[in-house]
Amino acid sequence: GENVEQHPSTLSVQEGDSAVIKCTYSDSASNYFPWYKQELGKRPQLIIDIRSNVGEKKDQRIAVTLNKTAKHFSLHITETQPEDSAVYFCAALGGTASKLTFGTGTRLQVTL
Amino acid sequence: GAGVSQSPSNKVTEKGKDVELRCDPISGHTALYWYRQSLGQGLEFLIYFQGNSAPDKSGLPSDRFSAERTGGSVSTLTIQRTQQEDSAVYLCASSLNPGDNEQFFGPGTRLTVL
Repeated sequence: GENVEQHPSTLSVQEGDSAVIKCTYSDSASNYFPWYKQELGKRPQLIIDIRSNVGEKKDQRIAVTLNKTAKHFSLHITETQPEDSAVYFCAALGGTASKLTFGTGTRLQVTL
Repeated sequence: GAGVSQSPSNKVTEKGKDVELRCDPISGHTALYWYRQSLGQGLEFLIYFQGNSAPDKSGLPSDRFSAERTGGSVSTLTIQRTQQEDSAVYLCASSLNPGDNEQFFGPGTRLTVL
């Protein structure tokens, strides 16, 4: 089955700096890679996703890049703000699967 | 419309008792997922339902765990003879279709086993 690894487990950045979270996956047939944000005490919510037919996708201050050859994808947050503080989960959909495999999460802390 | 709802929001039980957790998915969503999230941990997949197909139970941690989905809508997760290590937040999610579709999560049920 699919295996997803996520790094770092915790990340602290100053407000205004950029944050990068990286994930690797094992199934070369995986074709869908969403990112979920979970604020403290809240439910996870989708913030951005990318499919295997593109290499990069941007939505305002967040972007995701995908390297299919290396089997890794990354979340980039620019001009970080305190409200970006949360746990971020990457996930991958295996080629023959219908369910997502989630990474272990990254706790992002944006300090003033 | 309404999002995914779960009940109860909190459940405290004694070790050895059975519990039932309920999930109401978004109307029309064919796929329904259960996850477990221990304190400060990631999302552990438990079980997945898709339409009338046989559920994917590959994530259930033991035979004390079971789930059903009646009429393709509401789902119930049952934990028998609860143990302290079952304490966690149980999250339900639904998506319009399986696969590369956004999963909408419910608020979760926080289970505490004393």
